[in-house]
Amino acid sequence: GAGVSQSPSNKVTEKGKDVELRCDPISGHTALYWYRQSLGQGLEFLIYFQGNSAPDKSGLPSDRFSAERTGGSVSTLTIQRTQQEDSAVYLCASSLTGGRTDTQYFGPGTRLTVL
Amino acid sequence: AQRVTQPEKLLSVFKGAPVELKCNYSYSGSPELFWYVQYSRQRLQLLLRHISRESIKGFTADLNKGETSFHLKKPFAQEEDSAMYYCALSPGTYKYIFGTGTRLKVLA
Repeated sequence: GAGVSQSPSNKVTEKGKDVELRCDPISGHTALYWYRQSLGQGLEFLIYFQGNSAPDKSGLPSDRFSAERTGGSVSTLTIQRTQQEDSAVYLCASSLTGGRTDTQYFGPGTRLTVL
Repeated sequence: AQRVTQPEKLLSVFKGAPVELKCNYSYSGSPELFWYVQYSRQRLQLLLRHISRESIKGFTADLNKGETSFHLKKPFAQEEDSAMYYCALSPGTYKYIFGTGTRLKVLA
């Protein structure tokens, strides 16, 4: 079956603009994660969804970042008033239940460049 | 604090040489540990997990609770092993903590 997909694959925007990043998880996966991958920083956890609920938003770096998930499927990560330090690759992953031993399946990422 | 440390940003070895990618973790409970790999122009994917005690593509990793380590090893490196490797800790349901990654370069 299809894996996790993300769109767009690349996004170039100007400082101050809003952007929306989309993630389509594997069908049937209840858990969905967003990470940010910056040069030399590894993977930074942003937010987790179980179904449509986000029990852990602790990783969102500021109130400019928000995310939602609808229908237990597609998720959108929104960054308002983008700043240059937001430039990174944003990765989405899904797993079957969110359990500790679950495998996370990653999407190809969205490379965001803020000019 | 829960943390994963990968001390090497870059590791270069010659083809056929042994490889050890270091991973140390900080966690007071019983850890679930993983290695993920990202080959060039491919997405991040699971390589192995400690609970399975498996060998994947010749790689193994042993959990050493005394040293709080989960180093990834392979006796004979191959050029196709060149990739970015991330160690990850799952301290609880849904939570993953990744290290900063080690880039492995296997030289011909």
